[in-house]
Order: sequence, then C-alpha cells, then structure tokens
Amino acid sequence: DTEVTQTPKHLVMGMTNKKSLKCEQHMGHRAMYWYKQKAKKPPELMFVYSYEKLSINESVPSRFSPECPNSSLLNLHLHALQPEDSALYLCASSQESSGSGWTDTQYFGPGTRLTVL
Amino acid sequence: LAKTTQPISMDSYEGQEVNITCSHNNIATNDYITWYQQFPSQGPRFIIQGYKTKVTNEVASLFIPADRKSSTLSLPRVSLSDTAVYYCLVGAWMDSSYKLIFGSGTRLLVRP
Repeated sequence: DTEVTQTPKHLVMGMTNKKSLKCEQHMGHRAMYWYKQKAKKPPELMFVYSYEKLSINESVPSRFSPECPNSSLLNLHLHALQPEDSALYLCASSQESSGSGWTDTQYFGPGTRLTVL
Repeated sequence: LAKTTQPISMDSYEGQEVNITCSHNNIATNDYITWYQQFPSQGPRFIIQGYKTKVTNEVASLFIPADRKSSTLSLPRVSLSDTAVYYCLVGAWMDSSYKLIFGSGTRLLVRP
C-alpha cells in the first residue's frame, strides 16, 4: 500500500472557524510533511515531523497548528485563517532520512482544497 | 539566496524526447535530487531520484553533472498523458538554514 490519504477533499471555512485537516499513511514511514500550494506555484514546505516529533517549522503563522498523534496520522489544525490562506494543502510521507537530509522519496496525498471566506 | 529554477514551460510532440533542466546552486552535500510530476488538483507523483551521474528507470532518466549544481530529467518518447507540471526537489542551505525547496516547475504540453 503506497497510498497517502487526506480528508476532507474540499473545505470551505469562515475566518472565525476552527477546522482540521487529516492525513494518514500505512507504509511504515516515520517522516510526514505538510505543504501549502497556491495556484500555478510549487508546493511550499510548512512542517516536517520525524518519529512523531516536529523537526522543521518553516516559520508558519500560529493559526496553523500541526499535530502527529501517532506514526500513521498527521493533522493540521486551522483557526482564524485569512482569505490568503486559501490553497491546496498537501500531505506527504517518507522513510526516515538517514544522512540524506529530507530528500528521501516522498509519497503525496491528493490534497485538501481549502477556501477561506 | 538559494534558488531552484526551471524553464516555465515546454512544448513537445508525441514520440519525442523531452529534457527538462533544474538549476540548484546551493544543493546540500548529502541530499538526493528528486523529480516529481503533478497533474491539476492532484498531489505530486515521484518520477526518479539520483545523487550523481546518471540514473534510469522504466519511465525516465536523470543526468547529474559532477558539481551537482543542476540536473536534467529526460522523458523518452512522450505521450499526451505526459502533459503535466514537472518539479525538481532538493535540499539546500540558505542563510545557514537548511531548506527543502521545490523548483519553480515546468509545464510540459505534449501535442498530437
């Protein structure tokens, strides 16, 4: 099973709402990633978890709060978002890197299309 | 400032070979170079990965010069279904910080 699943596929929320994005993988990978992708732009790294610990936080605003409850699950909690946060949010996973930075092969989910009104 | 640059777009015809180059001047010493394919409203999909010289798999080849400051993805005999955006991904050092950076992306259009 080389699949990364993300729910929901689409999400519309107001600026005062609280919502969560979920990501799941069952490949035994120990590194998991959140990316943000705006239209016609490359994905931008937000967070990396390794062995369920936050390893990289790319100075993401605190209105985005990641959580890794176990090695298969990764959540992104959203609160008080702005319209400019509307984007495709991608989750990925990889084997734990061993001396090769974070460039082990990543497997991506289909993404959650987020619209903030 | 570390930049990972690619041509914005490329056009090709079915059956031709397509070569897409990515420049990555500040690539981290131990990191691989990975290429992904992305269709609209989907997550990127792994194509090929390498560290140096040449790597070939069933769908593509990857050429990496000795200085590793660039890489070239080669797609032999493209088909209409290869129309997509192609990204390189590298780790690079920028202002003493490690960054995982996708290239700017190349939109490939394959015509009949």
